Formats: sequence, C-alpha cells, structure tokens
Amino acid sequence: GAVVSQHPSWVICKSGTSVKIECRSLDFQATTMFWYRQFPKQSLMLMATSNEGSKATYEQGVEKDKFLINHASLTLSTLTVTSAHPEDSSFYICSARTGQEGQYFGPGTRLTVT
Amino acid sequence: RKEVEQDPGPFNVPEGATVAFNCTYSNSASQSFFWYRQDCRKEPKLLMSVYSSGNEDGRFTAQLNRASQYISLLIRDSKLSDSATYLCVVNTDKLIFGTGTRLQVFP
Repeated sequence: GAVVSQHPSWVICKSGTSVKIECRSLDFQATTMFWYRQFPKQSLMLMATSNEGSKATYEQGVEKDKFLINHASLTLSTLTVTSAHPEDSSFYICSARTGQEGQYFGPGTRLTVT
Repeated sequence: RKEVEQDPGPFNVPEGATVAFNCTYSNSASQSFFWYRQDCRKEPKLLMSVYSSGNEDGRFTAQLNRASQYISLLIRDSKLSDSATYLCVVNTDKLIFGTGTRLQVFP
C-alpha cells in the first residue's frame, strides 16, 4: 500500500515555543493531505485539509494562525504548532489521499508541551 | 448527536470467538464507508471498505445498510492479534471517525 511518513515521531517542547511536523508521501503524489489530532481515548478529529499550492482549509474551532500548514509540493505538507501550550499536547496524524478509496495515514507525531 | 456512533466496548472475547461491532451514522448523504484498525499509540490502518452488497475479506465481513444508516463488522475465529480498536469511518466530503470499539482477545 501507499506509504506516508511523519517526522518527528515524538517531540517534547517548552511552552511558548513552536514545533514543526513534516508529512511525506513516499511512493505517490498526494494532491490532498489531511491533518488530524487525537486526544487520549477520543476519536481522530480533522484539523485541516491541505491542497498542494493553495491555502489550507481549517475545520471550525481550529485556529489557523496557531496551526500553520504548508503544502509546498505533491509529496510534503508541514504543520507548525506556534506558541505551543500544554493543552496542545496530543497525537498529531497526517494522511494523504490517493484516488477515492480511503486514505493512508502517517505513523503520527506525539507532541508533549511542558 | 455524534456524526458516527460506536459502542466503545471493550469487548473481551476468547480466541476463536465470533464478535460483531455496530456503527450508526447521521449524515444520509455520506458517500463511502470504511473500517479502520488502530493499535495503541499507532496510526489507523485501513481494514476494509464497506459496500451495500456486503463484502468479506478472510475472517472479516462488513455490511452497510443505507436505509438504517447502519454499518457492521463481523470477525470470525478471533485471534490474539485482532486485539485493537476498530474505527468506523464515514466519508462525506471528508472522513468522519467514530471513537472506536476496543476489542481484547484473550487466550
């Protein structure tokens, strides 16, 4: 199946700093990538949809100035959590769509803000 | 009301048992349906798509009832390795995830 990678797999940062997470489609081109967040024992919640070469579409309640998304190429999207706070600690997962059948997910990035 | 509802479980079953999970969704305009599997602290992985005609993949059978807005997953001959959280996923213009049903298979 299609492979999506994420980097880093886990990160610990101090409150007030910014963290960048990369999402790459390794063996296919993804015109659309998605960013999700999952808190413990909760479902994945879509944060934003990222299309190559255009601005991301954010879900209601997600601050676009706090969660900066860049989709500069067909194989790379980045999520930057700016001025991170402890409540931003979560499991961040990207996915890429290829065709109409489902989506392939990256392995996730576990963010802990101290 | 949640867009996708699942019984969170856990379902604790012995090896070899048959177990069924159910899911309901609220948006009648939903276009496609999936079951994903998520292991602890890992990303979701596509288990199978779900079609109205019903579809089977080895020990796994999925069924969709559009009239009732109901999706099911049946696992036969459970293995220890089936222990995971099973996510019901509905595609409108984006994927909507249920909170998942946790399955624990014991020896």
